[in-house]
Amino acid sequence: DVKVTQSSRYLVKRTGEKVFLECVQDMDHENMFWYRQDPGLGLRLIYFSYDVKMKEKGDIPEGYSVSREKKERFSLILESASTNQTSMYLCASSLSGGQEKLFFGSGTQLSVL
Amino acid sequence: AQSVTQPDIHITVSEGASLELRCNYSYGATPYLFWYVQSPGQGLQLLLKYFSGDTLVQGIKGFEAEFKRSQSSFNLRKPSVHWSDAAEYFCAVDPRSSNTGKLIFGQGTTLQVKP
Repeated sequence: DVKVTQSSRYLVKRTGEKVFLECVQDMDHENMFWYRQDPGLGLRLIYFSYDVKMKEKGDIPEGYSVSREKKERFSLILESASTNQTSMYLCASSLSGGQEKLFFGSGTQLSVL
Repeated sequence: AQSVTQPDIHITVSEGASLELRCNYSYGATPYLFWYVQSPGQGLQLLLKYFSGDTLVQGIKGFEAEFKRSQSSFNLRKPSVHWSDAAEYFCAVDPRSSNTGKLIFGQGTTLQVKP
């Protein structure tokens, strides 16, 4: 089975800190995604990557950046964390093309104080 | 505007009762359609998907969904709910406007199961 691993389950940071959320998948998937999950809003796409060093903005990229130096790893970066970035962050991966299901990690609950 | 809507935020059903969760989408062409489930503390797991063909699709855990083009709907159903079905359910679409596989999710429906 595909495994998508997010490095931290819970994270507490202070306003203004630079935050790194790490995601690793073990099935050689081309596509990787970062979503943010908030109550009543569902999942919203922040960034996705369809190849190493390739990235595209999703629906809510402001305040975030990403890095994909290796195929298996996709990092989400909060350059200067703010309280409105307190949320659950979900990483997912899939094979290339449409019609492929997403495999999700268990999520990182980030609190920015 | 393109969107995915799950009209029910919370639903409570008794164990053994039937269940229907609603999903409506607003896209020009028929998108690829998915239902995912998220149990507490877990990531999302795919229940079922529709791309084309038979409009009634079967999924895991006894779930099924019916695509109705005329209503732009993809409702999820289960004949008899089990206590372990308590979770949050997400409808999602792939608009097919690109080949990237990125999904647009609805707001989610939280299912509570009464004993």
